[in-house]
Amino acid sequence: AQTVTQSQPEMSVQEAETVTLSCTYDTSESDYYLFWYKQPPSRQMILVIRQEAYKQQNATENRFSVNFQKAAKSFSLKISDSQLGDAAMYFCASVNFGNEKLTFGTGTRLTIIP
Amino acid sequence: GAGVSQSPSNKVTEKGKDVELRCDPISGHTALYWYRQSLGQGLEFLIYFQGNSAPDKSGLPSDRFSAERTGGSVSTLTIQRTQQEDSAVYLCASSYPSGSTDTQYFGPGTRLTVL
Repeated sequence: AQTVTQSQPEMSVQEAETVTLSCTYDTSESDYYLFWYKQPPSRQMILVIRQEAYKQQNATENRFSVNFQKAAKSFSLKISDSQLGDAAMYFCASVNFGNEKLTFGTGTRLTIIP
Repeated sequence: GAGVSQSPSNKVTEKGKDVELRCDPISGHTALYWYRQSLGQGLEFLIYFQGNSAPDKSGLPSDRFSAERTGGSVSTLTIQRTQQEDSAVYLCASSYPSGSTDTQYFGPGTRLTVL
């Protein structure tokens, strides 16, 4: 069974600064995918970034990047130049190839300080 | 194009009543998922539909929960004889199979409150 652990229930960062959200996972599979989703107060889960486990290069999407450490089963999210609109719950999730059922962590609430 | 839509946005019901929650996936998406998000928790998988295949119901918490998908598009999640522990946000997602594991796109959810 897969597990995803987010050990930071809450984080805060000054606007324009950089923050890193932690995530560790456990899976017995060799082919899997990792995701970060953002959930603002509107409740809609929005995909932030996706990483295929077979790719060594860390995924990036504009101000968002990941540090994927496969051996350590770690998948942290770095947000650069934090903006007020980044305030949300952030969920880390994993799925084994061919399984399709996402396994989520318990989330990190990110607050942006103006 | 339009994203995943869900209705109602909020539903308040009395314990013991049945409720139906609706999900309209993104047009062309053949895969549809239901998740439950209880207060302060991550998302918990409930059920998965893929095309005409039999659904994966392995996440349904009890036989009071059922779901169907008509015509390969709209899905309805039904909870019978609701209990207070059923109070949660129910999220629907859809994806388009592309040969690898596909990104799931979520709707805004239905917040269910059982009094």
